[in-house]
Amino acid sequence: QLQLQESGPGLVKPSETLSLTCTVSGGSISSSRYYWGWIRQPPGKGLEWIGSIYYSGSTYYNPSLKSRVTISIDTSKNQFSLKLSSVTAADTAVYYCARQGIAVAVFYFDYWGQGTLVTVSS
Amino acid sequence: EIVLTQSPATLSLSPGERATLSCRASQSVSGYLAWYQQKPGQAPRLLIYDASNRATGIPARFSGSGSGTDFTLTISSLEPEDFAVYYCQQRSNWPPITFGQGTRLEIK
Repeated sequence: QLQLQESGPGLVKPSETLSLTCTVSGGSISSSRYYWGWIRQPPGKGLEWIGSIYYSGSTYYNPSLKSRVTISIDTSKNQFSLKLSSVTAADTAVYYCARQGIAVAVFYFDYWGQGTLVTVSS
Repeated sequence: EIVLTQSPATLSLSPGERATLSCRASQSVSGYLAWYQQKPGQAPRLLIYDASNRATGIPARFSGSGSGTDFTLTISSLEPEDFAVYYCQQRSNWPPITFGQGTRLEIK
C-alpha cells in the first residue's frame, strides 16, 4: 500500500524559508507513471495547489507562488521536497503531499499524505 | 486561471436523502474535473475523476456528470459517513490546477 508522509518544522518565522519533505513508501518515486505534488490548506479554508514534480525533475508551479517555490526530488531516498521562501502569516496552512497518475486518473491526486501544519509566526 | 465555483456553500440533508452538488467553471474544462471528499482532520479523498469515473473503492452511490463548464456530484442515498466537505478540481491545460471553494454537506 502506497504511503506518503510529510515532515519538517511546524513553526517558521516570517521572512524565512519553509522546508518540507515527503517520504514515499510502498512504491517507487522513480516510476514514469506518476507526478508528485504539494497542496496546502489554510485553517478552515479550501485547497490550493502549490506545484508538482516528475521523476525526471521537471516541475510545474502555481503562478501565484512560482517566484517563491522550489520543488525537488531525490530518487535515491524516495523523497521529494518543498521550499517556500519569504513566508508570511498567509502561508500558515496544512501542507499535503500527494501523487498524480499519468495513466489512470490522469493528473488528479489519488494518494495523499496525512498533512502537516506549518505555522508562520515570530 | 480557471475559477471553479461550487454551490451551495452548505447543504443540509438527512441520511437516506439524495444530495446534488454543483461545480461551475469560469471557462470550459472539457471533462477534466474531479471531486474529492474531506472529513475533519483528514486529507481529501479522490471520489470521481474525468467528470464521471469513480475512483478505486468508491461506492456506487457516488456519481458524477457534466462537461464543459457545469458539473454535478450526486450521492444517491446519503450514509452517515458521507457528511463532509466536497471539493471539485480541474486539470484542464494545467498549470495551474485549481480547486473550488468547497461545499459542506451537513446533517439536517
